[in-house]
Amino acid sequence: KAGVTQTPRYLIKTRGQQVTLSCSPISGHRSVSWYQQTPGQGLQFLFEYFSETQRNKGNFPGRFSGRQFSNSRSEMNVSTLELGDSALYLCASSLVGQGTPSTDTQYFGPGTRLTVL
Amino acid sequence: AQKITQTQPGMFVQEKEAVTLDCTYDTSDPSYGLFWYKQPSSGEMIFLIYQGSYDQQNATEGRYSLNFQKARKSANLVISASQLGDSAMYFCAMREATSGGATNKLIFGTGTLLAVQP
Repeated sequence: KAGVTQTPRYLIKTRGQQVTLSCSPISGHRSVSWYQQTPGQGLQFLFEYFSETQRNKGNFPGRFSGRQFSNSRSEMNVSTLELGDSALYLCASSLVGQGTPSTDTQYFGPGTRLTVL
Repeated sequence: AQKITQTQPGMFVQEKEAVTLDCTYDTSDPSYGLFWYKQPSSGEMIFLIYQGSYDQQNATEGRYSLNFQKARKSANLVISASQLGDSAMYFCAMREATSGGATNKLIFGTGTLLAVQP
């Protein structure tokens, strides 16, 4: 089975631009979560989607948004980029998403490394 | 609020020796899940092991075992027979409980950088 894939792997943008990152979950997984990783703040939860609905959202400004498609693929968008948005963005998928720990282990993709100049 | 604490920023271990990475957590919810992930320099987070709050036995996965002490709220990762390929950042994480129901939100610790020396 193919793992979680994320595209693109690397991005360089300038302040004020917007960016869209894509995540394809493991086949059959319906829950997709996004995380931001920076040296200063560590790993922070952005949002989670399950069956095309946002189920949970982290403490990020409205410039960060996401969506999930009927095939469970997910995209996240960051508008009006700031220098502080430079980070590794990780996507994770899980099987059921019903809050049963034994079945809901999240599997991560390789990440998209975004650099904002 | 739920919190994960990893107090060891970095550790060294000799190849073939065992090493313990510490993790303590704080939660008032009786139902929770604890995870350990490995992150090599490439950036991908690799799932290692899971422990449920109601599990009676400590979890084991190959060379990885979890020393779960519920009363002390600790979930230390033990790696036996360390290999050079084990050199990486290791994160402890907890699934957050919410009053609204199911969620897959993970709260991560700050990580421990493990270096395995030949």
